[in-house]
Amino acid sequence: QVQLVESGEGVVQPGGSLRLSCAASGFTFSSYGIHWVRQAPGKGLEWVAFIPYGGNNEYYADSVKGRFTISRDNSKNTLYLQMSSLRAEDTAVYYCAKDAHPYGSGTQYFDYWGQGTLVTVSS
Amino acid sequence: EIVMTQSPATLSVSPGERATLSCRASQSVSTYLAWYQHKPGQAPRLLIYGASTRATGIPARFSGSGSGTEFTLTISSLQSEDFALYYCQQFNNWPLTFGGGTKVEIK
Repeated sequence: QVQLVESGEGVVQPGGSLRLSCAASGFTFSSYGIHWVRQAPGKGLEWVAFIPYGGNNEYYADSVKGRFTISRDNSKNTLYLQMSSLRAEDTAVYYCAKDAHPYGSGTQYFDYWGQGTLVTVSS
Repeated sequence: EIVMTQSPATLSVSPGERATLSCRASQSVSTYLAWYQHKPGQAPRLLIYGASTRATGIPARFSGSGSGTEFTLTISSLQSEDFALYYCQQFNNWPLTFGGGTKVEIK
């Protein structure tokens, strides 16, 4: 069965950096685009970043552009999110979520999600 | 950026009753709209995609309708496990955007 397992949870000071990972199994990882979506405490879902199946042409939310970098290692079935210049407003549970269709078919909605990992930015 | 607005923010419904949730887009998204159910501490669950197609394994009491800028998620007869948060999401344009959510609570 499809599994997405996030890791990298932590507390970091404002201005600091953190890397999240998402280990995938149960599907052909290299065929699907993958996203990061976050939920701040008491808030709704916010899409953060997307990387296509081939690893080129990433997309980012304006709120994280220039500070976050999404990447993937298809040989390890793993997605990453490198976060730098972290701010208090980046505090959230971060989910990785899988595109429902393979090969960048242009339909970016999510059929499987991980359980999430908590990032807290605080001094 | 396409702004998605959900209403109401909270919906109080008795078990067995119908729940109707609305989602409005600030510009047309055609039928590039999905609905998710989210319970605290769990992964969100895909309910509907393409505005009206139920995802695999989703009970028939969940239905979606609409196109353009106005969308509706209907739960025909609420079961205890349906009390949760519901989000719409457009995938017509980057950046992908979610509505603010509707909490369906027990009346």
